[in-house]
Amino acid sequence: QVQLQESGPGLVKPSETLSLTCTVSGAPISRHYWSWIRQPPGKGLEWIGYIYYSGSTTYSPSLKSRVTISIDTSKNQFSLKLRSVTAADAAIYYCARDVLGVGIDYWGQGTLVTVSS
Amino acid sequence: SSELTQDPAVSVALGQTVRITCQGDTLSSYYARWYQQKPGQAPLLVIYDKNNRPSGIPDRFSGSSSGNTASLTITGAQAEDEADYYCSSRDSSDNHLRVFGGGTKLTVL
Repeated sequence: QVQLQESGPGLVKPSETLSLTCTVSGAPISRHYWSWIRQPPGKGLEWIGYIYYSGSTTYSPSLKSRVTISIDTSKNQFSLKLRSVTAADAAIYYCARDVLGVGIDYWGQGTLVTVSS
Repeated sequence: SSELTQDPAVSVALGQTVRITCQGDTLSSYYARWYQQKPGQAPLLVIYDKNNRPSGIPDRFSGSSSGNTASLTITGAQAEDEADYYCSSRDSSDNHLRVFGGGTKLTVL
């Protein structure tokens, strides 16, 4: 059974960097694409970007200038960094597996990140 | 970038059939995926590539597509189907990108 678990600070100050890590168990990270998606409270889903195990990344144009997704295959983890956060970045952040030809088939439980001083 | 448009809310009587739609130019080129999200839970993939169901998804869920519109149909809606439903697809300008619709809140009466 594939499981994903997000970890990281639940509170980030404005203008600072949001950093989250996703630990994958039950499947090697050296296949498929690994995504970050976020959802502001009470709102819809927003795709942030994904990374392939090779390290190749694709980001949402609206966040590209502030986002970095990285991968550590030795730890079966991938990570998200979002720089210069504002209140608009407050959301539940999900990590997920994206399988070509299928879609996002496994999701983490999500972690709420609040932006406040 | 592409946009996917969904009705904000739809309702259906228990046991009846409901269709949830998703419109966007990219859907004339790429299939839609459909996700179900219940309160406090992560989304769940229910339909992929037009009309494929992942293991464990009831066969009352089906998908279809015509032109720039994709549809999710629930035949014989159950109380447990009450949820938010999101469509997703590739972006027509760059097929490496993913885009989500705004979501449809389904109420089962």
